[in-house]
Amino acid sequence: GDSVTQMEGPVTLSEEAFLTINCTYTATGYPSLFWYVQYPGEGLQLLLKATKADDKGSNKGFEATYRKETTSFHLEKGSVQVSDSAVYFCALRGNDYKLSFGAGTTVTVRA
Amino acid sequence: SAVISQKPSRDICQRGTSLTIQCQVDSQVTMMFWYRQQPGQSLTLIATANQGSEATYESGFVIDKFPISRPNLTFSTLTVSNMSPEDSSIYLCSAQRDSSNTGELFFGEGSRLTVL
Repeated sequence: GDSVTQMEGPVTLSEEAFLTINCTYTATGYPSLFWYVQYPGEGLQLLLKATKADDKGSNKGFEATYRKETTSFHLEKGSVQVSDSAVYFCALRGNDYKLSFGAGTTVTVRA
Repeated sequence: SAVISQKPSRDICQRGTSLTIQCQVDSQVTMMFWYRQQPGQSLTLIATANQGSEATYESGFVIDKFPISRPNLTFSTLTVSNMSPEDSSIYLCSAQRDSSNTGELFFGEGSRLTVL
C-alpha cells in the first residue's frame, strides 16, 4: 500500500540556518503530496502541497518539489526562525482519498 | 477554509468506560475522517465517516470498538468503547470540502484522552 518515509528527528537548529527534512514515498499511480505542520498547542494545518510531478509547493518561505523520478518531496527553508519550531509531517494522498502520514519530524529553532 | 470544533478537548477516563467525541464543521463538507495520534507517533486513519451510512474502517479498527456516526454534512461523532490505557491518544477529526484527492484536509485541534 501507499506509504511515506520521513527523516527522523528531532532536529535542532540555530536561527537563520538552512532546514531540510527528507521525505520519500511509495505509491501506485499519481498521488498528491503534502506537508502539514503542527505548532505547539495548535492543531494540524496544511503548509504546502503539490499535486503532480515537478510541481513546487511553497508557503511561509518553505518549499518542496514533487520529484517522481526519486519519489521524493523534501521540505526546505533557507533561513529558519524561532517561530518555525513545530512538528512537520509529510503526507501522501492516493486515489482512495486517504491521507497517509509520515512519522513526523520535530524541529526546534534556537535564537 | 473550514473550521472544525471538537469536544471534549481533553478528558481523563476510567478503564472500561466509553466516551463520545463530537466533531462540528462550520460548513458542509463532502468527506470526514477520524485519525488517532498515539503519544510520540504519527497519525493513523481510523475510519472514513460516511454521511447516512456505516463508516468505512481501516485495518485494525472495528465498529464495535470505535462506532462512528455522521447524521449530516457538518457533524460526526466517534465513540471509544470499553477503554483501556492503550486507548490513550489524541483523536482528530478531519474534513474536506470536495471529493478530489488534491484537496486540502482540515483538522480539528484534537481530543486528548487519558485512560487510567
